[in-house]
Amino acid sequence: DGGITQSPKYLFRKEGQNVTLSCEQNLNHDAMYWYRQDPGQGLRLIYYSQIVNDFQKGDIAEGYSVSREKKESFPLTVTSAQKNPTAFYLCASSIGGLVTEAFFGQGTRLTVV
Amino acid sequence: AQTVTQSQPEMSVQEAETVTLSCTYDTSESDYYLFWYKQPPSRQMILVIRQEAYKQQNATENRFSVNFQKAAKSFSLKISDSQLGDAAMYFCASKLYNNNDMRFGAGTRLTVKP
Repeated sequence: DGGITQSPKYLFRKEGQNVTLSCEQNLNHDAMYWYRQDPGQGLRLIYYSQIVNDFQKGDIAEGYSVSREKKESFPLTVTSAQKNPTAFYLCASSIGGLVTEAFFGQGTRLTVV
Repeated sequence: AQTVTQSQPEMSVQEAETVTLSCTYDTSESDYYLFWYKQPPSRQMILVIRQEAYKQQNATENRFSVNFQKAAKSFSLKISDSQLGDAAMYFCASKLYNNNDMRFGAGTRLTVKP
């Protein structure tokens, strides 16, 4: 089955620790995205990548880092510099160009205590 | 850059009635796509409908249709014959053709009353 897999579904970390959220897709999509969802603020773009070894900052990139070494994978690291990291994180992918919509993973709920 | 604005945090509709959710967007690009996504309590994002900016005809998918006003940069979603299963968060989104930058609005929580 083709799709996007985010793991884990729930993640707990102590304050001050870096944590990496996994996102893998087997849809052969070029573009991948990370969004953060907080109540009342919708989905805010953290980073997106159009192609391997390339990525662009979104609206709230501070305190986050990404890599895109493989087409299938786009991990997100939440660093200790992120002031309020507790949130729901969604990964998405799309083919890009003329094919339009993004497909989403099931999300990771990160709680920092 | 692009922004998407949904001005209705919450809406409610009676079952079998019609409801319209509002969305405005702002972009300087000429080639883009617009979407409505539904997020039920499971939090899985589901595509409801898409609209290509170059198409004048409004998109329709069964009970869901849009009113796309390009000059006004408005993209509203109409849900006809509302069903209990339509209750969810609805997000409007825009995606640029040239670089795949995709942004979402803050969402509208739709309640369907039996």
